[in-house]
Parts: sequence; C-alpha cells; structure tokens
Amino acid sequence: EADIYQTPRYLVIGTGKKITLECSQTMGHDKMYWYQQDPGMELHLIHYSYGVNSTEKGDLSSESTVSRIRTEHFPLTLESARPSHTSQYLCASNTGNNEQFFGPGTRLTVL
Amino acid sequence: QKEVEQDPGPLSVPEGAIVSLNCTYSNSAFQYFMWYRQYSRKGPELLMYTYSSGNKEDGRFTAQVDKSSKYISLFIRDSQPSDSATYLCAMSAGAGGTSYGKLTFGQGTILTVHP
Repeated sequence: EADIYQTPRYLVIGTGKKITLECSQTMGHDKMYWYQQDPGMELHLIHYSYGVNSTEKGDLSSESTVSRIRTEHFPLTLESARPSHTSQYLCASNTGNNEQFFGPGTRLTVL
Repeated sequence: QKEVEQDPGPLSVPEGAIVSLNCTYSNSAFQYFMWYRQYSRKGPELLMYTYSSGNKEDGRFTAQVDKSSKYISLFIRDSQPSDSATYLCAMSAGAGGTSYGKLTFGQGTILTVHP
C-alpha cells in the first residue's frame, strides 16, 4: 500500500485567493495524478505527470496548474479561486504494476 | 457515450446478502481493471486489481473480468454493514503508449448494507 499524503484536508477560502493543494508520496512512484470529484459524481482526471519536469493536462479542463520538481511532490495551484472550483481534489500515484493508490483528498470550498 | 458505464444503484441489501456490482466498457485497449471502495469524505481505497480476463478472489470479494463481453463484476459475499460505501470500477490501458496509466472511472454505485 502506498503512503500518499494531501494537505490541507479541508479548505474554505474567499473568491480571488491563490491556493496550493499539496500532494506527496514516499514510494518513489514516477506517475502521479490529480482528479476532481464533485459530490455523488465520478472522478475526472485534471492533471498527470509521468516523472520529474513532466506534466500534462487530463481529460477534464481545469484552470488549475501543477508542477513536478521532485519525484515525491506534485502540488496543484489555483491562481484565483472561484466558487466553481468548489470540489474534492484527489491525488494518486501508480506502482510499477499500474495499481493506483489515492490520498485522502482535499475538500475545497470557495465562497 | 461514456467509455465506462456502471450500474448506478443505489443498492440496499440486508446483512449477509451477496452483492453484485457491474460495469461495462467500450475501449478494447483496457487491460487493467480495478475496484475501489470510497467512504464518505475519504479518498478511494483500492479493493481489487485484475489484469486481463479471469477471476480473482480476496476474502469475501471476488472480481470477474470478461474482456470478450467488455464486462466486469465485483461480488461481495456475506455483506456487512461496514461494506456500506460507494464502489467505483476503474480501468486502464496500462503505462505504455499515451495512456500513462491513466484510469477511467465508472460513476460509482452506492451500497447500503443494513443490519
């Protein structure tokens, strides 16, 4: 089982603020992912990375950006938060066998 | 049409029942099949992982994959109230090519097991 951490777990913030959601894993996995999940809805991939200095946009368009400067760290940034960004954000990483493990998620509310 | 369709439920069963959860898919490139359990306000937890067709059993859980029919199932035997959660199927074409191990999820089935 992978150890994958996300902070903060909950965030309530006002419109227009810049926020960074942190994700880190201690397993040395190359591939990492960010998903967005609205209540009762399926997960949608918004960003992924297959290694240091590689990032790609996912299937769902998102105004967020990501960076991958270190293998273990894959933060997601919103430059100017809006109420439409209210959602749960889930970070994941893959083992060499393509098993994907998830962090606990960050529940973001933008007022 | 979505690549992965999951029976939406919700399902409500008595304790001890056998539960069947199902997904169909359209992308023949999918080779890796997973079932996740997600409790409210938590991240998905990997339950079962299967490569290609066949059955896999782990305790009370059995995963079945039929690639010829593009159909996967998760069976839960002797269901318990602690099994109450949302169950998500997920699939991947693998790490090669342009897929990079990305998962495509079903929309989830809410299961309630009542005592």
